[in-house]
Amino acid sequence: AQSVTQPDIHITVSEGASLELRCNYSYGATPYLFWYVQSPGQGLQLLLKYFSGDTLVQGIKGFEAEFKRSQSSFNLRKPSVHWSDAAEYFCAVGGNNQGGKLIFGQGTELSVKP
Amino acid sequence: EAQVTQNPRYLITVTGKKLTVTCSQNMNHEYMSWYRQDPGLGLRQIYYSMNVEVTDKGDVPEGYKVSRKEKRNFPLILESPSPNQTSLYFCASSDRTGAEQYFGPGTRLTVT
Repeated sequence: AQSVTQPDIHITVSEGASLELRCNYSYGATPYLFWYVQSPGQGLQLLLKYFSGDTLVQGIKGFEAEFKRSQSSFNLRKPSVHWSDAAEYFCAVGGNNQGGKLIFGQGTELSVKP
Repeated sequence: EAQVTQNPRYLITVTGKKLTVTCSQNMNHEYMSWYRQDPGLGLRQIYYSMNVEVTDKGDVPEGYKVSRKEKRNFPLILESPSPNQTSLYFCASSDRTGAEQYFGPGTRLTVT
């Protein structure tokens, strides 16, 4: 079955600390992988995406993610968190010729301590 | 500017009163989808369309209808809304590869 798991429902980090949000997926075909961020009351903003090539992907706002096929993971990282990064983060997987369908994880809510 | 628009952005209605949420994209995308977002469940696909007059069920289609009469529009219809359809709804469009995904701003629906 196709699925995405974000094991951490809620994470709290101190401002300036590093961040890693975990994402594991199960997908039968070659996956397209996405990370989205949603601030309170807002829509979805694409942080980064991976289709092929270099497994380390750079995104907006200083985020990066690494695709590890052997571990079926696509973890999101940021070296130094800012208070404005507090939001909910969603990992999603899709594929070629899948009708554009994305399968989303449950989301990880990030809180940032001053 | 490439975008997906949805209307209305907020809607409060009563059980059983038919409603339609519109969705439009300006990128000439073949694929369009509707998702609902609920706490702890992420986003789940309701219906999708691969082209004009071609629609299919997603993971949670019960209680919803869609139509795709024009390529740019993909309205979501709730013919008899119930409180369990209170949710945040997103429309999305993508190209054929699925690599380019665009989401609308969301519609927050409350059914009392």
